[in-house]
Amino acid sequence: DAKTTQPPSMDCAEGRAANLPCNHSTISGNEYVYWYRQIHSQGPQYIIHGLKNNETNEMASLIITEDRKSSTLILPHATLRDTAVYYCIVTNNNAGNMLTFGGGTRLMVKP
Amino acid sequence: GAVVSQHPSWVICKSGTSVKIECRSLDFQATTMFWYRQFPKQSLMLMATSNEGSKATYEQGVEKDKFLINHASLTLSTLTVTSAHPEDSSFYICSAGATISYEQYFGPGTRLTVT
Repeated sequence: DAKTTQPPSMDCAEGRAANLPCNHSTISGNEYVYWYRQIHSQGPQYIIHGLKNNETNEMASLIITEDRKSSTLILPHATLRDTAVYYCIVTNNNAGNMLTFGGGTRLMVKP
Repeated sequence: GAVVSQHPSWVICKSGTSVKIECRSLDFQATTMFWYRQFPKQSLMLMATSNEGSKATYEQGVEKDKFLINHASLTLSTLTVTSAHPEDSSFYICSAGATISYEQYFGPGTRLTVT
């Protein structure tokens, strides 16, 4: 799986949009970009994934650059409950594939 | 959405004893399940890949005789930490791949403390 690079930490004001970047310059053509988050002492939670088109669901939006070498996860209106470590993972779209977790970004949403 | 459960959610055991952790996919079948370990302030590290009906595949540096994995059915995988030591104290998390949606679903984790 391609390696990803994320900033170790970010702050965001409550109610504002949180934009979390991820670099994956070695991504291959059949690899998807997945985002998970982990709230303290819980298992990771799936957020969103995409191949090359931008994606949106009830939790977030995923913006993937045209060359697919980077992406941004957007939480449109961050709340205190969004404080977590966010992981960007690049992998094949296969349930049998393991996920390789990097360091992630620790997002702190502040009142 | 798909749900993965783990039991127990936390356990305290004495050094030298064995502990079994269960991982269940509640509403879907999972041919493959994964076991991760997470130490404080660190990321998740894959320990092994568990395939239903066959032997688990362990990551480099993970002792297969110490961390016994059994995947007896499409909805249950177990991890047994044998002869536990204080350095095995960690947060153990399992995940299961849902074939239909191609997503990995994670359990809530099991916190093991070895005294």
